[in-house]
Amino acid sequence: DQQVKQNSPSLSVQEGRISILNCDYTNSMFDYFLWYKKYPAEGPTFLISISSIKDKNEDGRFTVFLNKSAKHLSLHIVPSQPGDSAVYFCAARRGTGTASKLTFGTGTRLQVTL
Amino acid sequence: GAGVSQSPRYKVAKRGQDVALRCDPISGHVSLFWYQQALGQGPEFLTYFQNEAQLDKSGLPSDRFFAERPEGSVSTLKIQRTQQEDSAVYLCASSRGLAGIDGELFFGEGSRLTVL
Repeated sequence: DQQVKQNSPSLSVQEGRISILNCDYTNSMFDYFLWYKKYPAEGPTFLISISSIKDKNEDGRFTVFLNKSAKHLSLHIVPSQPGDSAVYFCAARRGTGTASKLTFGTGTRLQVTL
Repeated sequence: GAGVSQSPRYKVAKRGQDVALRCDPISGHVSLFWYQQALGQGPEFLTYFQNEAQLDKSGLPSDRFFAERPEGSVSTLKIQRTQQEDSAVYLCASSRGLAGIDGELFFGEGSRLTVL
């Protein structure tokens, strides 16, 4: 049962344009959401997060939007740069106590072209 | 080192062989997680340590998988009698605080296990 879904395995965007990566979840108990970025042969690195009490969080070129009623979140990258080319994982967590493990989606490979 | 270090980076094992994967977390980090990432999938939780205590091992797929962190720093993930379905990248992650709150979870580069 895939509780976090990223239905687009890949996305290609031209440099300077907006990249929009989508994520859906099924478990209504999730209350914290994160995006991780992964380059080949490296571990995932934290990018941005959002608590379920918010609907938007912005950090520089990166903005995450959360629509709780639709159980949907998205990551916007504006403007997209070639260095943004990587696999992006959406992750969700339930609670902030101990052992609040992350549940990851399957990832979206972003290719930013010149 | 400055980051989470895992070894070996690559391991090829024959089916039935035992393997041990090592994780050196960032010094002083309390929380340590192991994740398994199969090809084309996202990381899946295996187990969690808070210092030396293994608080959650619900993600371990079978009793062939065993993890330990005896002194609350270095951790070892052991897989006995490896099977082909164990082939994956095994990621270790650590956090200064409890359970990676607020996303302060630092991942290692992973150990890629291939079982022939």
